[in-house]
Amino acid sequence: KNEVEQSPQNLTAQEGEFITINCSYSVGISALHWLQQHPGGGIVSLFMLSSGKKKHGRLIATINIQEKHSSLHITASHPRDSAVYICAVGGGAQKLVFGQGTRLTINP
Amino acid sequence: DSGVTQTPKHLITATGQRVTLRCSPRSGDLSVYWYQQSLDQGLQFLIQYYNGEERAKGNILERFSAQQFPDLHSELNLSSLELGDSALYFCASSVFSENEQFFGPGTRLTVL
Repeated sequence: KNEVEQSPQNLTAQEGEFITINCSYSVGISALHWLQQHPGGGIVSLFMLSSGKKKHGRLIATINIQEKHSSLHITASHPRDSAVYICAVGGGAQKLVFGQGTRLTINP
Repeated sequence: DSGVTQTPKHLITATGQRVTLRCSPRSGDLSVYWYQQSLDQGLQFLIQYYNGEERAKGNILERFSAQQFPDLHSELNLSSLELGDSALYFCASSVFSENEQFFGPGTRLTVL
């Protein structure tokens, strides 16, 4: 079993739908990261969180430390949100361990 | 634009060769990280430097080495290259180890 599991692996939705991507981890962490990777390959850091909830525009990330689970939500999804979303855990003196990613496709 | 630069963008070389990938962190960032992304392994942490010193080591092969220079730029050296080393290599930087990381655009290495 991988230390970081994401679900679903692939997700296709229509423009405007509410999107949820889940991340479960099995190791103790100091922080959890959500990253976005576009088809061109570039990686953008969306959130780094160690507790509670963070919001940036249409993106919301939550983490439950006790349950070792995090979710990334996208409200009013748009075709430009199509990308691979990657969860990673670790931080501080810990090396980052990555999930396999969720490939999101938003159709117009 | 994250402020992290990587050169070259693309590199094509032959098995057995040696290459050097370069990373310049964001201004003010002391920590540099190197990651490898291959099709079958996904993203993997290779090594981290903080203010010139090695801070953490991941699944980095003995054929690979890295360093961070006094001006804080970093180089990743890959030697005795094999076909399986073909991958995207990302550099990221952060102010300190506990902070959000900012990723460079990556170097795509193809070993023929």
